[in-house]
Amino acid sequence: EFVLTQSPGTLSLSPGDRATLSCRAGQSVSRNYLAWYQQKPGQAPRLLIYGASNRATGIPDRFSGSGSGTDFTLTITRLEPEDFAVYYCQHYDDWVAFGGGTKVEI
Amino acid sequence: EVRLVESGGGLVKPGESLRLSCATSGFTFTDYSVNWVRQAPGKGLEWVSSVSSTSIYIHYADSVKGRFTVSRDNAKNSLYLQMSSLRAEDTAVYYCATTPHGYKALGFMDVWGKGTTVTVSS
Repeated sequence: EFVLTQSPGTLSLSPGDRATLSCRAGQSVSRNYLAWYQQKPGQAPRLLIYGASNRATGIPDRFSGSGSGTDFTLTITRLEPEDFAVYYCQHYDDWVAFGGGTKVEI
Repeated sequence: EVRLVESGGGLVKPGESLRLSCATSGFTFTDYSVNWVRQAPGKGLEWVSSVSSTSIYIHYADSVKGRFTVSRDNAKNSLYLQMSSLRAEDTAVYYCATTPHGYKALGFMDVWGKGTTVTVSS
């Protein structure tokens, strides 16, 4: 079973702050097949990052992804009010698994 | 405009069956793999199933294997999920989502529907 552990569970920040979210895999993620999603209450998830570091279409450049192997990071350089949400990482090579999520709250 | 619209959710009793549908438009359906992902109330995302463009590759989460069957009708640009032997723990919002390649089922998910709610309760 492929396990993704996200930390912290909750991140309490203010608009303008920098957010650093972690996603750790139980085994190495081949070919950096790691994605990040944003989900707001009552809405479907939205793809932010794929391939560990590629921004999806229309995603602002304040969102960036990095990492390789088992450790990945989503960074939001300057939080905007609309960025307060839950963020999930996902592995998608020979299996699909989601992390448990990190809530970014004010 | 790319659209995914799920339907078929509802309230069912444990052990009963339900069929979900996902109608798509605005893109070439056969260029994409498609997925079902669910989210129990107050919980995180759980992958359920994926199917490649020609249905050659189909995958299921262990939690639904043997009970759920995914299918797609490329002529109707639609995805389906036949759910049987439903349990209380299957209660969730079920989303369909596309993966921007068709040659293998698994991938990241770039477009999502709004979801349909399934409640399993006696």
